Amino acid sequence: EIVMTQSPATLSVSPGAGATLSCRASQSVSSNLAWYQQKPGQAPRLLIYGASTRASGIPARFSGSGSGTEFTLTISSLQSEDFAVYYCQQYNDWPPLTFGGGTKVEIK
Amino acid sequence: EVQLVESGGGLVKPGGSLRLSCAASGFTFSSYSMNWVRQAPGKGLEWVSFISGSRSYIYYGDSVKGRFTISRDNAKNSVYLQMNSLEAEDTAIYYCARGTMVRGIIFDYWGQGTLVTVSS
Repeated sequence: EIVMTQSPATLSVSPGAGATLSCRASQSVSSNLAWYQQKPGQAPRLLIYGASTRASGIPARFSGSGSGTEFTLTISSLQSEDFAVYYCQQYNDWPPLTFGGGTKVEIK
Repeated sequence: EVQLVESGGGLVKPGGSLRLSCAASGFTFSSYSMNWVRQAPGKGLEWVSFISGSRSYIYYGDSVKGRFTISRDNAKNSVYLQMNSLEAEDTAIYYCARGTMVRGIIFDYWGQGTLVTVSS
């Protein structure tokens, strides 16, 4: 099973500032990585797949990069609606499909 | 518009059973795999089970293998999760999620979830 590790667990950011979230895989997942956003009381929403391809309707301030075992989600100029928990998920080697533990982006 | 609506959650005693349902609309249901993903209170996401559009492929996470059964009825645009021998650790919100194949499965649409509580 591929273990996904996200860091940091919590990121405090001021509105308008940028944020960089990390996700590491225990073995290479190539570019088969997705990112999801989850707001309190809501279901997750797909943001990024293929490590860097934005899903339909996702604003350009969200960008993903990386391949192999190291991945980054960057949010430029955080808006109020961006404060949420973000999860990465690998789909290179499955089952099982595995998620990281999440990074909470909170208002500083 | 794609919609996924789960139902069937509730309070059940340890060792009991529950059947979750997910009604889908807004897309050609039989063309997509369907998944169940759960989230324990205050915790992260855990993939539970996968079923392909034709029902040819079915997979489970290790924590539920042998206790849970996924099924689907393409005529009714619905997917189900039969949960037996429930344990306290199964307490979670259960989400139904559409799977799209992009070299692997990503979850591009999610329902709002149904809460399952296992407690005596």
